[in-house]
Amino acid sequence: DQQVKQNSPSLSVQEGRISILNCDYTNSMFDYFLWYKKYPAEGPTFLISISSIKDKNEDGRFTVFLNKSAKHLSLHIVPSQPGDSAVYFCAASQNTNAGKSTFGDGTTLTVKP
Amino acid sequence: DTGVSQDPRHKITKRGQNVTFRCDPISEHNRLYWYRQTLGQGPEFLTYFQNEAQLEKSRLLSDRFSAERPKGSFSTLEIQRTEQGDSAMYLCASGVLRDSRGYTFGSGTRLTVV
Repeated sequence: DQQVKQNSPSLSVQEGRISILNCDYTNSMFDYFLWYKKYPAEGPTFLISISSIKDKNEDGRFTVFLNKSAKHLSLHIVPSQPGDSAVYFCAASQNTNAGKSTFGDGTTLTVKP
Repeated sequence: DTGVSQDPRHKITKRGQNVTFRCDPISEHNRLYWYRQTLGQGPEFLTYFQNEAQLEKSRLLSDRFSAERPKGSFSTLEIQRTEQGDSAMYLCASGVLRDSRGYTFGSGTRLTVV
């Protein structure tokens, strides 16, 4: 049973538009969520995180929204840039051990110039 | 500090051979994690250390796998009697508990068992 799901394997958006990447989780014990970005031949790079005590966290062009009742989170990138093209992983953990994360299978974002 | 280093970047081995990977974390990070990633999937947790103590092992880590972190610095992951199903990217990450900057991953070691 996959506890973290990213149902869209790929997403394509035009440069300057908004990119919305979605993630669903099933384990209600998760209380800390992270997004990582991964380029080919590199390890995942931390992007942004959110604790379950919040419903929104913003960092520059990146905003993560958390809907605990729906067990759903989303990553918004505004405006999208070609350099944002990468695989984005959603990860969930318990705040007591955020390094032990359960990852989704990723969404490949392509931002077209 | 140049981040998390993993060595080698690529390893091709014959089935049945033993392999060992090394991870050098960021020096001030006391927590170190090993993950495995197969094509088209996200990383899967294998095991983690706090300083030199191995605190948890996933059920994915069979008896053929062993990890160490002597002196709480670098870590090694050994796979004995490799099988084709072991072919994957092995990722190491390091961090500090409750650090809002998340955890830093290395570039991984890609293992191919032929």
